[in-house]
Amino acid sequence: GAVVSQHPSRVICKSGTSVKIECRSLDFQATTMFWYRQFPKQSLMLMATSNEGSKATYEQGVEKDKFLINHASLTLSTLTVTSAHPEDSSFYICSARGDQGNFRNEQFFGPGTRLTVL
Amino acid sequence: GDSVTQMEGPVTLSEEAFLTINCTYTATGYPSLFWYVQYPGEGLQLLLKATKADDKGSNKGFEATYRKETTSFHLEKGSVQVSDSAVYFCALNTGGFKTIFGAGTRLFVKA
Repeated sequence: GAVVSQHPSRVICKSGTSVKIECRSLDFQATTMFWYRQFPKQSLMLMATSNEGSKATYEQGVEKDKFLINHASLTLSTLTVTSAHPEDSSFYICSARGDQGNFRNEQFFGPGTRLTVL
Repeated sequence: GDSVTQMEGPVTLSEEAFLTINCTYTATGYPSLFWYVQYPGEGLQLLLKATKADDKGSNKGFEATYRKETTSFHLEKGSVQVSDSAVYFCALNTGGFKTIFGAGTRLFVKA
């Protein structure tokens, strides 16, 4: 089956530091990946669509300079939360859309990364 | 724009009770419909899906039927267990692009 991993699963950092979260598709290629944010007891909010080799497309209200996205290969996208503040504390979930074969156009979700900013 | 509306929770049931979580959608085109489950502290797991009208998705005793005429995709289970306690999200996706989620419904099952 299609597996998407995220690293780290949990991270605690001090206010003002930057944190990088990795999203990998382990057994399929994904030109397109998506980054979501989930506040406690709420639904998933799409932050941005990440496209391999090009700039990410951000949803309205999401600061692209705050949440840097790099999709450097067909299996890896990274989200960097720059100059993190306590209000950035959240659960970040990525998904990857398969390019080929049985996984084509299906989305698979990672397990999420819980970020706590002190 | 596309949207998903699902019943508000929390839903509290006794073990072996019948479960229904309502979900309706609005979409241009012909979306695929999904139910995801999220256990405490974890990410999303795909529970079931349906890709066209009248399809029935099923998994682990859960079922949902894609009803185009009522734009609905209600989740049902005949006999819930304590281990089914989780948050359930209804979602749609058109053409493999971004997935639109409902607000989520929290289910508590008491022993």
